[in-house]
Amino acid sequence: QVQLVQSGAEVKKPGSSLKVSCKVSGGSFSSYAISWVRQAPGQGLEWMGGILPILGTPNYAEKFQGRLTLTADKSTSTAYMELSSLRSEDTALYYCARQLGDGFDIWGQGTMVTVSS
Amino acid sequence: AIQLTQSPSSLSASVGDRLTITCRASQGISIALAWYQLKPGKAPKLLIYDATSLESGVPSRFSGSGSGTDFTLTISSLQPEDFATYYCQQFNSYPLTFGPGTKVDIK
Repeated sequence: QVQLVQSGAEVKKPGSSLKVSCKVSGGSFSSYAISWVRQAPGQGLEWMGGILPILGTPNYAEKFQGRLTLTADKSTSTAYMELSSLRSEDTALYYCARQLGDGFDIWGQGTMVTVSS
Repeated sequence: AIQLTQSPSSLSASVGDRLTITCRASQGISIALAWYQLKPGKAPKLLIYDATSLESGVPSRFSGSGSGTDFTLTISSLQPEDFATYYCQQFNSYPLTFGPGTKVDIK
């Protein structure tokens, strides 16, 4: 079955950059959009952006414009989320998720990111 | 951006109760709405897509209704494993916004 496997937990300094990977196995990679969603401690779910690998064109939430870069490597079936200029408010659990129609049907296991000096 | 509101923000219920959670969109979104269940330490789980379609493997006590701006998630008979936080999400247009969530806990 299709699985999304994310890279491991990260601890980052304020002002640095973060890159999280999401490898898709067991199914098609290019045909489905991959989105990134985060949940800060005690907060709700927040959609950050998404990318359709077959086109390679990302969509970003306005809040992250200029700081967020989403890419997809079709050769390795891996999506990447890069967030720059990290601040403490970026401390969160980050998920990738596959979009099937009007729903995110498969999710990665989550990557905990801590931003602290 | 389309805003989603949910009500109530939290509720206490008992096993066997019938539960209804409401999600309202700031503008019409047809049926482009999904519902998720989130438990601590676990990834979100898709329950309902296209406002009314039950995701494969999800128990039939979960159902969704609505179109346009007003939507509901109903749990017909609450089970112990259903205590969680529930989120709606719209797919009508970018950004794909989530509602603020409804936390369901044990009375």
